[in-house]
Amino acid sequence: ETGVTQTPRHLVMGMTNKKSLKCEQHLGHNAMYWYKQSAKKPLELMFVYSLEERVENNSVPSRFSPECPNSSHLFLHLHTLQPEDSALYLCASSQEYRNSPLHFGNGTRLTVT
Amino acid sequence: GESVGLHLPTLSVQEGDNSIINCAYSNSASDYFIWYKQESGKGPQFIIDIRSNMDKRQGQRVTVLLNKTVKHLSLQIAATQPGDSAVYFCAVYSGGYQKVTFGIGTKLQVIP
Repeated sequence: ETGVTQTPRHLVMGMTNKKSLKCEQHLGHNAMYWYKQSAKKPLELMFVYSLEERVENNSVPSRFSPECPNSSHLFLHLHTLQPEDSALYLCASSQEYRNSPLHFGNGTRLTVT
Repeated sequence: GESVGLHLPTLSVQEGDNSIINCAYSNSASDYFIWYKQESGKGPQFIIDIRSNMDKRQGQRVTVLLNKTVKHLSLQIAATQPGDSAVYFCAVYSGGYQKVTFGIGTKLQVIP
């Protein structure tokens, strides 16, 4: 049990579909993140929320839309995705201070067909 | 910006031997470093961290060494076990929780 739970674990969607990824953290952290992990590439930061406010949007296409209703929950809404968006999407949380480790969920493996 | 590289994409080690995984970074202002382990089908898992005011830190069977002069970080795993098989990558902090750069990862294969 990682303390950060992501659902679903796997998702296959067509390019015209709309779906959402969900993340919940049980660690009492106040910052939450979405990362994209593609093969043979380093983790790419997509969004950061601190105290429920988005503090970082790392030039992510508008077809990805995050939502953070409270400090324990984070969503990533997906619509009209492209095949190159297929990847592992990781949610993480941390305490909002200078040097604090990230705690990751097990990710959602997304395949866009 | 920060660039983080790893010296080897794959490392094969005999069970019981020691493993050394390396990471190089470019930003001399980097002040916090973490090693993560990622097993197949799972998310990255925190192993050990070190701050820039230290050059060595030990955990259970793992040691992290930091050489700020050459901007090099290494992870040493003692008595490598089959359960250590995973991808290991470093994370380099250069300005707080929002400024983290990750390495690509080294795949550690343990030969029984």
